[in-house]
Amino acid sequence: DIQMTQSPSSLSVSVGDRVTITCQASQDITSYLNWYQHKPGKVPKLLIYDASNLQPGVPSRFSGSGSGTDFSFTISSLQPEDVATYYCQQYDFIPPTFGGGTKVEI
Amino acid sequence: EAQLVESGGGLVKPGGSLRLSCAASGFTFSSHSMSWVRQAPGQGLEWVSAISGSARNIYYEDSVRGRFIVSRDNAKNSLFLQMDSLRVEDTAVYYCARARRTTGDLSGFDLWGQGTMVVVSS
Repeated sequence: DIQMTQSPSSLSVSVGDRVTITCQASQDITSYLNWYQHKPGKVPKLLIYDASNLQPGVPSRFSGSGSGTDFSFTISSLQPEDVATYYCQQYDFIPPTFGGGTKVEI
Repeated sequence: EAQLVESGGGLVKPGGSLRLSCAASGFTFSSHSMSWVRQAPGQGLEWVSAISGSARNIYYEDSVRGRFIVSRDNAKNSLFLQMDSLRVEDTAVYYCARARRTTGDLSGFDLWGQGTMVVVSS
């Protein structure tokens, strides 16, 4: 299985901060990488698909980049409603696998 | 509005069975591959199984293969997960999720149900 190593596992930031999360795949997954936001008591929400494409309706402060094995996810200016756990997920290989998650707190 | 609604979770003893259902509405169900994704208490997300729109292709995570069966009824816009020989480690919230793309069997999951809790305990 493809291992997705996400870092950091948690971070505490301030409103307005720039937040960057990285995700490394154990082998080349081209651009088949998605990012999700999961708030407590809510369902996961797709934010970025295929490494860098913003899902319709998602604010433009969220962005993603990368290809191959190294990917990053950025929140340009953290808002209070962005408190959540963020997951990367690859789907180039079966089984699709998620990173361990990054818990973002204020 | 597109929507997924799961049902069928509950408390079951180890070795028991449960059947989860996911009712879809507001989109062309048969055009999308569907998956089950679970989250154990305090843990991250784990993909469990997927089925293509036509049900021709089916995939399982290794730990559930041979115990779980995924199926769908496109006429009734419904997805199912038959879970047999349940183990304590299967305890989780189970989500049904829609593949974003209508081509290929896997992609990002752009629509999720609210989740149904499965507790396996003696």
